[in-house]
Amino acid sequence: GAVVSQHPSWVICKSGTSVKIECRSLDFQATTMFWYRQFPKQSLMLMATSNEGSKATYEQGVEKDKFLINHASLTLSTLTVTSAHPEDSSFYICRAAEGPYNEQFFGPGTRLTVL
Amino acid sequence: GENVEQHPSTLSVQEGDSAVIKCTYSDSASNYFPWYKQELGKRPQLIIDIRSNVGEKKDQRIAVTLNKTAKHFSLHITETQPEDSAVYFCAAYGGGSYIPTFGRGTSLIVHP
Repeated sequence: GAVVSQHPSWVICKSGTSVKIECRSLDFQATTMFWYRQFPKQSLMLMATSNEGSKATYEQGVEKDKFLINHASLTLSTLTVTSAHPEDSSFYICRAAEGPYNEQFFGPGTRLTVL
Repeated sequence: GENVEQHPSTLSVQEGDSAVIKCTYSDSASNYFPWYKQELGKRPQLIIDIRSNVGEKKDQRIAVTLNKTAKHFSLHITETQPEDSAVYFCAAYGGGSYIPTFGRGTSLIVHP
């Protein structure tokens, strides 16, 4: 299968700081990327869908000003958690596809801990 | 929109036993049903999938069955091994949708 990487794999930050998570498709061009959040012992919750060169579409209840998504190239999407708080601590996973209806590949995830 | 229910939330079996996880969905137009295995701290991995034009699919110790009339699909793992211990998620893609709805997950524990 195709390779999707995320960086960093884990991050610990202080409350109030911003954290940027990168998602890269290494061997294909990802027109579409999805960002998920997963709290402990819970399911994957879709936060937003982004298409390269367009603004991201956020799911209901997800604050777009708090979770900034940039998908400026066909191989890179970033999620920035602004002014992070302890309740933002979670496992963030990206998923990339060549197109919305193509096979989708998960990144390895980023564990965010906000103190 | 699509709604997916998954049961049980926790399943504990002895090594060698079979394990069955069930999911129901609400959108009769749903046409693709993947199953994922997620180990602690890792990404979900696709283990098997089934499309709506097929009733059953098998891959070694893993099988999935689909009942379109009842709108439910199940994951069957035979001869379970300790390395099968993980959280399993079902998902359903609604008709025309490229965004899956995930079940809540089942924590499978296989005791040696």
